[in-house]
Parts: sequence; C-alpha cells; structure tokens
Amino acid sequence: DAGVTQSPTHLIKTRGQHVTLRCSPISGHKSVSWYQQVLGQGPQFIFQYYEKEERGRGNFPDRFSARQFPNYSSELNVNALLLGDSALYLCASSLVRGPRTDTQYFGPGTRLTVL
Amino acid sequence: TQLLEQSPQFLSIQEGENLTVYCNSSSVFSSLQWYRQEPGEGPVLLVTVVTGGEVKKLKRLTFQFGDARKDSSLHITAAQPGDTGLYLCASLRGSTLGRLYFGRGTQLTVWP
Repeated sequence: DAGVTQSPTHLIKTRGQHVTLRCSPISGHKSVSWYQQVLGQGPQFIFQYYEKEERGRGNFPDRFSARQFPNYSSELNVNALLLGDSALYLCASSLVRGPRTDTQYFGPGTRLTVL
Repeated sequence: TQLLEQSPQFLSIQEGENLTVYCNSSSVFSSLQWYRQEPGEGPVLLVTVVTGGEVKKLKRLTFQFGDARKDSSLHITAAQPGDTGLYLCASLRGSTLGRLYFGRGTQLTVWP
C-alpha cells in the first residue's frame, strides 16, 4: 500500500503570495494532521481534520487554513506569505484507534521557501 | 513553544560508540513516542511507550519511559552510520487525538 503522499515536493514563493499544499492519506485513514517544521525545530501542529471536520487547531494565524475532501485527502492553504513561513510542511494520517496508541504516518513533506 | 525538552541538541560520534538522548517535560504524558527523521523525509515512528517505568527494545535501541511519565530516554548501543538522523520525541498529551507535541530533536551523526 502507498504511504502518505504530498505535493509538490518543493515550492518557491515570494512574500505576499498564497500557496496550496496537498496531501493524500494512507488508504483507510480518515484523520489528517498538518505540521510545520522550521529548520532546527521539531514539527509544530497546525491542524487536524477527521471525517472532513476540523478537530484541532494549533497556534497559527488565520492566514493558515485547511480542508478535507470526501476521499479524505486534504489541502493546506497559506495566504499572504511571510519569510517566516519558510519551512517543511508535513502531513500525517492515522486510523484514530485511541488516545494512547494513535500512530501517525508522515509523508515526506513539502519544502516551502518564501523569498 | 516546545513542551518537550530534548538533549543534547547535537551529537557526533564514531561508529561503535554508545549514546543516550533524553526527553524531559514538566507535564505528565499519557504516552510518549520516539521518531527518527532523515533528510528529505517525514518522521518515522520507532516506538510508543505508555506505562511509567516501561522499557522497550528495538534491536540496538532501548527506550525507557520514566516512572512519573514526565521523561524518557533512548539508548543506542554500538551506533552505526545508518543510525544517523534527527531523533524526535513526541506526545499525544491526553486524549487529543491526531495532535502530537514534538521536542526540538537530537541530531545524531555517526561517523564510520
């Protein structure tokens, strides 16, 4: 079975532009979470979607938005890009079996560079 | 804000040496996970520890969860170049599904 896939792999944008990142979860997984990983830091939680509804949001500005589609794939949108948005954006999917044993499977990420 | 503190931040050793990395917090966690991330890839889950005092082994890697469930350690015996990577600890913190809190990570480099 294919793992979590993300597109594009790399992206270069300029300040003020917007960007859309895409994620396809593992088949059968209904939960998708998005993380931002700035160089030298661990991933930071942005959003979680489960059954097409937002179930959690991290401490990110309203410029960040996301949605989940009926096939459980997801998009992360970032408007009015800032230099500080340059990061690796990771998508993770899970089965949501239980709070103590939930396993998230990460995609390879999208490397966003804002110039 | 990183709720999990990892140390050391960087570790550079020769093949065959042993090492330990640490993950600490002032909060109690219901479970803790260790991941390894290689350049250009997402983190890959190594282990989940759930019970205070729990010890799990994965080949040359030994993971321990503190009795109070506030800290954890990862010990690697006879490190190999293939162990090189960013080691991250993370917690689900209670019943918040799909929301992991990560530490900053320990960047391990093993030289042949």
